[in-house]
Amino acid sequence: KNQVEQSPQSLIILEGKNCTLQCNYTVSPFSNLRWYKQDTGRGPVSLTIMTFSENTKSNGRYTATLDADTKQSSLHITASQLSDSASYICVVGSTSGGSYIPTFGRGTSLIVHP
Amino acid sequence: GAVVSQHPSRVICKSGTSVKIECRSLDFQATTMFWYRQFPKQSLMLMATSNEGSKATYEQGVEKDKFLINHASLTLSTLTVTSAHPEDSSFYICSARGRLEYEQYFGPGTRLTVT
Repeated sequence: KNQVEQSPQSLIILEGKNCTLQCNYTVSPFSNLRWYKQDTGRGPVSLTIMTFSENTKSNGRYTATLDADTKQSSLHITASQLSDSASYICVVGSTSGGSYIPTFGRGTSLIVHP
Repeated sequence: GAVVSQHPSRVICKSGTSVKIECRSLDFQATTMFWYRQFPKQSLMLMATSNEGSKATYEQGVEKDKFLINHASLTLSTLTVTSAHPEDSSFYICSARGRLEYEQYFGPGTRLTVT
């Protein structure tokens, strides 16, 4: 069964600090891995997307890494801001029989305090 | 980037009535649309997947006669919650996938409250 596990479940940090969120997956066959940011009461917004051959991808203060061998990904947030407070969701895509199947992690809730 | 819109953003209805939620891909053709439900502080739960012009595929435990999905065109999908009950109150989010497999864009969501 395809699964995506995220850790920690929740995280509280002070403004300006860095943090790293983890995503472990057992999805096969692997197609791509995406990180989304979801503000409360809003739809998820894509931060990064990586395919099998990509190890790292940055989007401003967000940097995602992917280790396809260990099936792990991380999202590093640098110099956190209050607006970074949100839920961060890891989604691993699989393609089977011509159909694209995304598997969602449960998300990490990040709270940035001033 | 690609834009997916949902309408309405919020809706309050009485128990027993039906509510229709629209999902549109504004600047690309969505070959596949996904409908999710999200309860407070929980992750998104996939309800159904629909391909343009064909019947939706529902996830286990989702009543297809209660949650009617119509994907009539490459830019529009609708979710109708029939005979709504208070337990149907939730945040409903659609997602549209383009022709390239890595494209999946989410709508802003619709907050449904059934009184």
